Amino acid sequence: DIQMTQSPSTLSASVGDRVTITCRASQSISRFLAWYQQKPGKAPKLLIYQASSLQDGVPSRFSGSGSGTEFTLTISGLQPDDFGTYYCQQYSTYRTFGQGTKVESK
Amino acid sequence: QVQLQESGPALVKPAETLSLTCTVSGGSMNSYYWMWIRQPPGKGLEWVGFIYYKGGTNYNPSLRNRVTVSADTSKSQFSLNLYSVTAADTAVYFCARGVPKEGSSSPGFFDYWGQGAQVTVSS
Repeated sequence: DIQMTQSPSTLSASVGDRVTITCRASQSISRFLAWYQQKPGKAPKLLIYQASSLQDGVPSRFSGSGSGTEFTLTISGLQPDDFGTYYCQQYSTYRTFGQGTKVESK
Repeated sequence: QVQLQESGPALVKPAETLSLTCTVSGGSMNSYYWMWIRQPPGKGLEWVGFIYYKGGTNYNPSLRNRVTVSADTSKSQFSLNLYSVTAADTAVYFCARGVPKEGSSSPGFFDYWGQGAQVTVSS
């Protein structure tokens, strides 16, 4: 099984901050990686697919990069609506999610 | 705008069968994979299984012996049956649309999700 490890598990940030979340795969997944945002009591929302492609309707302050085993999600200028939990998901072999990174208000 | 809605019992007894249905509206089921994904309380996400619109299925190896996914495309619905449930199956169950992985006959990422159905396994 491909394991996905996110860091940090929790991140405290302020509105306007640049935020970076890292996701590492236990083996190479090429660019078969997606990022989701989830708010309490809601379904995850797709932000990024194919490591760096922005889903329609997602603000351009979200960006993704990486390939192989290391990936990052960057929020350039955190907005109040961006607080929540972020998950990465690989779809190279089967599909597995990272454990999540909670972005909370500092 | 594609919308998905889960329905089914919120409480299931141990050793019984968990059954959920997802109704798809605003779009066709053609050309996509239709997924079940679950989230235990306070934990992360786990894919349970999926069905392709043409009928092929695949399941998480950890659940393979206890799960079936079926579909009725004429009703724009697909369903989950999870057998012999235990407390460990307590979770929010999401249905979602899987976009085909580039160059492959399997789902990649998930672009539309239902709101989720809380299912508790308890006597």
